[in-house]
Order: sequence, then structure tokens, then C-alpha cells
Amino acid sequence: QVQLQESGPGLVKPSQTLSLTCTVSGGSISSGSYYWSWIRQPAGKGLEWIGRIYTSGSTNYNPSLKSRVTISVDTSKNQFSLKLSSVTAADTAVYYCTRDGYLRWFDPWGQGTLVTVSS
Amino acid sequence: EIVLTQSPGTLSLSPGERATLSCRASQSVSSYLAWYQQKPGQAPRLLIYGASSRATGIPDRFSGSGSGTDFTLTISGLEPEDFAVYYCHQYGSSPDTFGGGTKVEIK
Repeated sequence: QVQLQESGPGLVKPSQTLSLTCTVSGGSISSGSYYWSWIRQPAGKGLEWIGRIYTSGSTNYNPSLKSRVTISVDTSKNQFSLKLSSVTAADTAVYYCTRDGYLRWFDPWGQGTLVTVSS
Repeated sequence: EIVLTQSPGTLSLSPGERATLSCRASQSVSSYLAWYQQKPGQAPRLLIYGASSRATGIPDRFSGSGSGTDFTLTISGLEPEDFAVYYCHQYGSSPDTFGGGTKVEIK
């Protein structure tokens, strides 16, 4: 079955760009009509959808973050990535990658990776 | 964006009891609603999609109902492993949004 794994720096300085990668295993990122999303969760708080990408490269972002977010895909590596620019302490959260689709739920999820924004 | 309001915020119950969790949407999401369970230090796990369909491997003590703006997740008899936080998620309208969560704790 498909599994997802996030990777990237756990500490990012304020005003810099947060960069994370999600590696998909157990299946091709290009197979099926799936989208690939990023979701985050500050400590002790709820879930916030960041954005999604289709393997064609088309993207859809949360308007609340749209000006700072870029999601890209590398089908040759079976990976997709998140870049969040101009980070502040408010961007400190556990970041999850997950699979979804058009009018579709999130499943499965990666285990999540904690990113702390601090100098 | 569609706002999802979950109630109650915390539910204190004993093992074996029935849990009833509510999720209300600020506008209709049809049946495009999912429920997830999250335990400390873990990623959310899909329980229910399409408002009432159980995900693969989910025990039948979990059931979902509702459509439009009012949804319910019912756990028919709480097992020790069911004490966790539960989130609803609407995927009918972009951006996807989540409710604030209901914590089911041991009484």
C-alpha cells in the first residue's frame, strides 16, 4: 500500500523559506487520479490544509497562504515538495503530506515532521 | 470558506459507553465530509468518508451520518483505544477545511 514520508530541516530562521519533501513509496505518484496535499498542525491546535498538486503540475492553494506557498512535483523521484516563504513563528507546526483527489478525502498520511521557526 | 464547528469540545465517557460527536457546517457540503481520529504524536487516521462510509479496516462500532450541514460520528461502545481527538473535514468546497476537534477522554 502507498506510504508517505516527509523530510526536511526541523529548524528554519524567521523570514527564510521552509522547504519540505514528501516521498511516496508503494506506488507511483502518477498512477490514478490523485492529488497530493500538504497539511499542517501547530502544537495543541487543529489542522490547516495548505495546498495540493496534481501530477500534471496543476496546483490549488489555501487563499490564507497562497502568496507564500509553492508546491511542486518530481515524478521521476516519486516526490512532491512544499516551499513556504517569509516564515514567522506562527508557521511553527507539524507538517503532514497526504494523498487526496477531486472531491476526495485525505488518506493515507505521512507521519508528520515538526518544523520550528526560530532564530 | 466553509467553517466547521465541532461539539462538544471535550467528551468525558467511560469504556463501553456510546459517544456522539457533532460537526456542523456553515453552508451545505452535501455528503463531502470525512472524519479522522488522531492520537498523541500520531498522524490523523481516516475513519469515515462520504459522511457515512467506513474506511478500510475501521471497526463497525464507528458510524457516520448526516448530509448538508449537520453530521454525526457515533462510536457505539468505546474501547480503550478509542480515546483520542476526532476531526471532521469538508472536501466539497475549496479550500478544504477542518473542524476544531472533539477530544474523547476517559471519565
